[in-house]
Amino acid sequence: DQQVKQNSPSLSVQEGRISILNCDYTNSMFDYFLWYKKYPAEGPTFLISISSIKDKNEDGRFTVFLNKSAKHLSLHIVPSQPGDSAVYFCAARAYNNDMRFGAGTRLTVKP
Amino acid sequence: KAGVTQTPRYLIKTRGQQVTLSCSPISGHRSVSWYQQTPGQGLQFLFEYFSETQRNKGNFPGRFSGRQFSNSRSEMNVSTLELGDSALYLCASSDPGYGYTFGSGTRLTVV
Repeated sequence: DQQVKQNSPSLSVQEGRISILNCDYTNSMFDYFLWYKKYPAEGPTFLISISSIKDKNEDGRFTVFLNKSAKHLSLHIVPSQPGDSAVYFCAARAYNNDMRFGAGTRLTVKP
Repeated sequence: KAGVTQTPRYLIKTRGQQVTLSCSPISGHRSVSWYQQTPGQGLQFLFEYFSETQRNKGNFPGRFSGRQFSNSRSEMNVSTLELGDSALYLCASSDPGYGYTFGSGTRLTVV
């Protein structure tokens, strides 16, 4: 069962513009959410996270928004750069440390 | 600290064979999780080990098994390989904090 869903398999944006990656989850037991970035032939690397007690977390060009009532989170990248081109995975962790991932969204930032 | 080490990096096996993959977590990390990545399915959770005990298990058939040793190193075994088992297998170690650190993965091709 897909408890974490990323409905857009790909996204293409122009350099300098905003990239918005979306993620939905179904399990209300998730209390911590993470975004990972993956380049080809490498393992995913941690990007940014947010606890369920917050609705926004910012780190430089990256901001994650959490809407608990809608069970939705999003990652904003502003401004987007060509080096941001990668696959982005949304992840959600439950209290028992069980972590589930979305299918990923391939972001392409065009120069 | 050295990162998460997975061996081998690449593997080609024949249908019906079995395979064992290895993961050495970051020193001091006691939790090791395994994931299967296939195109379109994202990262699918296989199982998690903590202090030599399987703590969580995903929805994979019994052909997929694992274990963890006293030094936290973990192995994953797949028996009676099928073509659909071809994937990138990722191992992640975690500490009592919130994030996971992934290895580069083992690319398994079943022919």
